[in-house]
Amino acid sequence: GAVVSQHPSRVICKSGTSVKIECRSLDFQATTMFWYRQFPKQSLMLMATSNEGSKATYEQGVEKDKFLINHASLTLSTLTVTSAHPEDSSFYICSARVGLETQYFGPGTRLLVL
Amino acid sequence: LAKTTQPISMDSYEGQEVNITCSHNNIATNDYITWYQQFPSQGPRFIIQGYKTKVTNEVASLFIPADRKSSTLSLPRVSLSDTAVYYCLVGDYYNAGNNRKLIWGLGTSLAVNP
Repeated sequence: GAVVSQHPSRVICKSGTSVKIECRSLDFQATTMFWYRQFPKQSLMLMATSNEGSKATYEQGVEKDKFLINHASLTLSTLTVTSAHPEDSSFYICSARVGLETQYFGPGTRLLVL
Repeated sequence: LAKTTQPISMDSYEGQEVNITCSHNNIATNDYITWYQQFPSQGPRFIIQGYKTKVTNEVASLFIPADRKSSTLSLPRVSLSDTAVYYCLVGDYYNAGNNRKLIWGLGTSLAVNP
């Protein structure tokens, strides 16, 4: 149980375009989902916390207008990277938590902005 | 938020037992200790979680001394496929209304050699 999926697994886009990444909890309902970013050889960095039906809470230094997060249902959260630039190229990972459970992570999405 | 300290890297050989120790001197009363495994270009995978004493599951054991200022992840009889980065995290997972953040360190890069 506790499977989290992400789509797409990898995406290449041109600079200036927007990219949407989906995070789904497949066999449970997640009241809270988290979005992380990981650069090569570095650790995970929390970007934002999203709760179903409410606005996301962004970490300091993360632009909320650039990284749009929507958590419209208990099984789906989306991260949209707007007007992507090469410096946004990274590995984006979501995780989901149910009430008293620990976090379960998706497989990640590799974003490459040309 | 409790900070954790782990060795940056460890080397081992197939069939050996590997023990990775994590220091968390300012762990709070409500904090649990969780270990994750991450392979390159994949999301972290939950390994084990504990509060005190010893916890064992099908893949690992977690030893936590009485003062809880450290913990040791024990991997019995490692194989080449256990080569990965292992993260120790401390957080209050069981406060239902608290979106307690997880702060990720650099983890321990374990290399299992033939």
